[in-house]
Amino acid sequence: EVQLQQSGAELVKPGASVKLSCKTSGYTFSNYYMSWLKQMPGQNIEWIGNIYGRNGGTGYNQKFKGKATLTVDKSSSTAYMDLSSLTSEDSAVYFCARSGYSWYFDFWGPGTMVTVSS
Amino acid sequence: DVALTQSPATLSVTPGERISLSCRASESVDTYLHWYQQKPNESPRLLIKYASQSISGIPSRFSGSGSGTDFTLSINGVELEDLSIYYCQQGNNLPLTFGSGTKLEIK
Repeated sequence: EVQLQQSGAELVKPGASVKLSCKTSGYTFSNYYMSWLKQMPGQNIEWIGNIYGRNGGTGYNQKFKGKATLTVDKSSSTAYMDLSSLTSEDSAVYFCARSGYSWYFDFWGPGTMVTVSS
Repeated sequence: DVALTQSPATLSVTPGERISLSCRASESVDTYLHWYQQKPNESPRLLIKYASQSISGIPSRFSGSGSGTDFTLSINGVELEDLSIYYCQQGNNLPLTFGSGTKLEIK
Protein backbone atom coordinates (compact mmCIF):
# COMPACT_ATOMS: atom_id res chain seq x y z
CA GLU A 1 0.00 0.00 0.00
CA VAL A 2 1.40 3.36 -1.04
CA GLN A 3 1.71 5.76 1.90
CA LEU A 4 3.02 9.30 2.23
CA GLN A 5 3.53 10.43 5.83
CA GLN A 6 4.15 14.10 6.42
CA SER A 7 5.73 15.81 9.40
CA GLY A 8 3.66 17.59 12.00
CA ALA A 9 2.30 21.11 12.15
CA GLU A 10 4.81 23.95 12.52
CA LEU A 11 4.52 27.33 14.23
CA VAL A 12 7.41 29.51 13.11
CA LYS A 13 8.41 33.13 13.48
CA PRO A 14 8.62 35.56 10.56
CA GLY A 15 12.00 35.47 8.90
CA ALA A 16 12.72 31.93 10.04
CA SER A 17 13.04 28.78 7.95
CA VAL A 18 11.32 25.41 8.26
CA LYS A 19 11.99 21.95 6.83
CA LEU A 20 9.06 19.68 6.04
CA SER A 21 9.34 15.96 5.42
CA CYS A 22 7.37 13.38 3.44
CA LYS A 23 8.29 9.77 4.25
CA THR A 24 7.10 7.24 1.70
CA SER A 25 6.47 3.50 1.69
CA GLY A 26 4.80 0.90 -0.45
CA TYR A 27 6.46 1.74 -3.77
CA THR A 28 9.86 2.18 -5.41
CA PHE A 29 10.81 5.73 -4.46
CA SER A 30 13.36 6.17 -7.25
CA ASN A 31 10.80 5.50 -9.99
CA TYR A 32 8.61 8.50 -9.29
CA TYR A 33 8.56 12.25 -8.85
CA MET A 34 7.48 13.92 -5.64
CA SER A 35 5.74 17.25 -5.89
CA TRP A 36 5.06 19.78 -3.18
CA LEU A 37 1.90 21.86 -3.27
CA LYS A 38 0.60 24.80 -1.25
CA GLN A 39 -2.96 25.50 -0.21
CA MET A 40 -3.78 28.60 1.79
CA PRO A 41 -6.98 28.47 3.89
CA GLY A 42 -10.01 28.36 1.59
CA GLN A 43 -7.83 28.93 -1.43
CA ASN A 44 -6.66 27.28 -4.60
CA ILE A 45 -3.89 24.68 -4.85
CA GLU A 46 -0.49 25.86 -6.12
CA TRP A 47 2.28 23.64 -7.43
CA ILE A 48 5.62 24.54 -5.87
CA GLY A 49 7.86 22.12 -7.71
CA ASN A 50 8.96 18.52 -7.95
CA ILE A 51 11.94 16.30 -7.45
CA TYR A 52 12.84 13.01 -9.11
CA GLY A 53 13.49 10.22 -6.63
CA ARG A 54 16.19 8.58 -8.74
CA ASN A 55 18.65 11.46 -9.07
CA GLY A 56 17.25 14.40 -7.12
CA GLY A 57 16.64 16.42 -10.28
CA THR A 58 14.29 19.30 -9.55
CA GLY A 59 11.83 21.57 -11.31
CA TYR A 60 10.34 24.64 -9.70
CA ASN A 61 7.43 26.94 -10.27
CA GLN A 62 9.13 30.30 -10.91
CA LYS A 63 6.90 31.81 -8.23
CA PHE A 64 8.58 29.69 -5.56
CA LYS A 65 12.19 29.87 -6.67
CA GLY A 66 14.23 31.19 -3.78
CA LYS A 67 11.45 30.32 -1.34
CA ALA A 68 11.44 26.51 -1.54
CA THR A 69 14.29 24.01 -1.85
CA LEU A 70 13.49 20.36 -2.53
CA THR A 71 15.73 17.44 -1.57
CA VAL A 72 15.46 13.69 -1.15
CA ASP A 73 17.08 10.99 0.95
CA LYS A 74 16.88 7.85 -1.15
CA SER A 75 18.11 5.68 1.71
CA SER A 76 14.97 6.45 3.72
CA SER A 77 12.63 7.12 0.76
CA THR A 78 11.92 10.57 2.15
CA ALA A 79 11.41 13.88 0.41
CA TYR A 80 12.05 17.23 2.05
CA MET A 81 11.11 20.82 1.43
CA ASP A 82 12.91 23.77 2.99
CA LEU A 83 10.98 27.02 3.14
CA SER A 84 13.03 30.12 3.87
CA SER A 85 12.47 33.75 4.95
CA LEU A 86 8.95 32.95 6.04
CA THR A 87 6.20 35.58 6.06
CA SER A 88 2.50 35.46 6.80
CA GLU A 89 1.94 34.70 3.09
CA ASP A 90 3.63 31.35 3.67
CA SER A 91 1.04 30.28 6.24
CA ALA A 92 -0.69 27.38 4.51
CA VAL A 93 -1.10 23.64 4.32
CA TYR A 94 1.69 22.00 2.32
CA PHE A 95 1.08 18.67 0.63
CA CYS A 96 3.48 16.22 -0.90
CA ALA A 97 2.06 14.21 -3.79
CA ARG A 98 3.45 11.48 -6.02
CA SER A 99 3.46 11.60 -9.79
CA GLY A 100 5.01 9.74 -12.67
CA TYR A 101 6.11 11.32 -15.94
CA SER A 102 2.48 12.04 -16.64
CA TRP A 103 2.15 14.92 -14.16
CA TYR A 104 -0.98 13.87 -12.35
CA PHE A 105 -0.96 13.18 -8.62
CA ASP A 106 -2.14 9.71 -7.72
CA PHE A 107 -1.19 9.67 -4.04
CA TRP A 108 -1.12 12.56 -1.59
CA GLY A 109 0.18 13.05 1.91
CA PRO A 110 -2.23 14.34 4.59
CA GLY A 111 -0.63 17.79 4.56
CA THR A 112 1.43 19.82 7.02
CA MET A 113 0.05 23.09 8.34
CA VAL A 114 2.63 25.85 8.64
CA THR A 115 1.68 28.94 10.63
CA VAL A 116 3.96 31.95 10.50
CA SER A 117 3.38 34.19 13.49
CA SER A 118 5.41 36.14 16.02
CA ASP B 1 1.14 29.87 -17.13
CA VAL B 2 -1.96 27.97 -18.25
CA ALA B 3 -4.99 29.38 -16.46
CA LEU B 4 -7.88 27.03 -15.68
CA THR B 5 -11.31 28.56 -15.14
CA GLN B 6 -13.87 26.40 -13.37
CA SER B 7 -17.58 27.06 -13.38
CA PRO B 8 -19.77 27.41 -11.55
CA ALA B 9 -17.91 28.38 -8.38
CA THR B 10 -20.66 26.82 -6.30
CA LEU B 11 -23.34 24.35 -7.35
CA SER B 12 -26.36 23.55 -5.22
CA VAL B 13 -27.56 20.03 -5.89
CA THR B 14 -30.24 17.56 -4.91
CA PRO B 15 -29.15 13.98 -4.22
CA GLY B 16 -29.80 11.83 -7.26
CA GLU B 17 -29.25 14.62 -9.78
CA ARG B 18 -26.93 14.31 -12.76
CA ILE B 19 -24.59 17.30 -12.80
CA SER B 20 -21.77 18.67 -14.92
CA LEU B 21 -18.84 20.80 -13.84
CA SER B 22 -16.82 22.81 -16.33
CA CYS B 23 -13.09 23.50 -16.63
CA ARG B 24 -11.78 25.78 -19.38
CA ALA B 25 -8.09 26.22 -20.17
CA SER B 26 -6.49 29.43 -21.44
CA GLU B 27 -4.68 27.40 -24.10
CA SER B 28 -4.87 23.86 -25.37
CA VAL B 29 -3.77 21.19 -22.91
CA ASP B 30 -4.67 18.31 -25.25
CA THR B 31 -6.09 15.68 -22.85
CA TYR B 32 -3.58 16.36 -20.07
CA LEU B 33 -6.36 17.41 -17.77
CA HIS B 34 -7.07 15.68 -14.46
CA TRP B 35 -9.82 15.98 -11.86
CA TYR B 36 -9.63 15.79 -8.06
CA GLN B 37 -12.08 15.75 -5.20
CA GLN B 38 -11.22 17.44 -1.90
CA LYS B 39 -13.32 17.07 1.23
CA PRO B 40 -12.90 19.47 4.17
CA ASN B 41 -9.62 18.98 6.04
CA GLU B 42 -8.53 16.21 3.69
CA SER B 43 -6.01 15.98 0.89
CA PRO B 44 -7.27 15.87 -2.71
CA ARG B 45 -8.14 12.53 -4.29
CA LEU B 46 -7.59 11.76 -7.97
CA LEU B 47 -10.92 11.09 -9.71
CA ILE B 48 -10.22 11.17 -13.44
CA LYS B 49 -6.95 11.28 -15.41
CA TYR B 50 -6.32 12.33 -19.00
CA ALA B 51 -9.71 14.02 -19.23
CA SER B 52 -11.76 10.83 -19.38
CA GLN B 53 -9.84 7.87 -17.96
CA SER B 54 -11.29 6.28 -14.86
CA ILE B 55 -9.33 5.59 -11.70
CA SER B 56 -9.44 2.31 -9.80
CA GLY B 57 -11.61 2.57 -6.71
CA ILE B 58 -13.52 5.65 -7.86
CA PRO B 59 -17.29 5.12 -8.21
CA SER B 60 -18.53 4.74 -11.78
CA ARG B 61 -20.92 7.68 -11.39
CA PHE B 62 -17.91 9.97 -11.98
CA SER B 63 -16.92 10.51 -15.62
CA GLY B 64 -14.95 13.05 -17.60
CA SER B 65 -14.90 14.35 -21.15
CA GLY B 66 -13.26 16.99 -23.32
CA SER B 67 -10.00 17.88 -25.02
CA GLY B 68 -8.11 21.00 -25.99
CA THR B 69 -9.54 23.80 -23.87
CA ASP B 70 -12.97 22.60 -22.71
CA PHE B 71 -13.52 19.83 -20.19
CA THR B 72 -16.41 18.47 -18.16
CA LEU B 73 -16.66 16.36 -15.04
CA SER B 74 -20.04 14.66 -14.70
CA ILE B 75 -21.59 12.97 -11.70
CA ASN B 76 -24.46 10.69 -12.62
CA GLY B 77 -26.61 10.57 -9.52
CA VAL B 78 -25.03 12.80 -6.87
CA GLU B 79 -24.76 11.26 -3.42
CA LEU B 80 -24.37 13.08 -0.10
CA GLU B 81 -20.78 11.85 0.19
CA ASP B 82 -19.96 13.77 -3.03
CA LEU B 83 -20.30 17.13 -1.29
CA SER B 84 -16.79 18.44 -1.77
CA ILE B 85 -14.72 20.84 -3.80
CA TYR B 86 -13.70 19.62 -7.25
CA TYR B 87 -10.51 20.83 -8.90
CA CYS B 88 -9.15 20.39 -12.39
CA GLN B 89 -5.39 20.34 -13.02
CA GLN B 90 -3.41 20.54 -16.25
CA GLY B 91 -0.28 18.53 -16.85
CA ASN B 92 0.59 19.74 -20.33
CA ASN B 93 2.78 22.71 -19.43
CA LEU B 94 5.00 23.69 -16.52
CA PRO B 95 4.20 25.08 -14.07
CA LEU B 96 1.44 22.63 -13.35
CA THR B 97 -1.71 24.58 -12.52
CA PHE B 98 -5.08 23.99 -10.89
CA GLY B 99 -8.45 25.58 -11.35
CA SER B 100 -10.05 27.52 -8.51
CA GLY B 101 -12.51 24.74 -7.81
CA THR B 102 -16.25 24.09 -7.84
CA LYS B 103 -17.93 23.57 -4.49
CA LEU B 104 -20.86 21.16 -4.37
CA GLU B 105 -23.43 21.89 -1.70
CA ILE B 106 -26.88 20.61 -0.83
CA LYS B 107 -29.81 22.60 -2.21
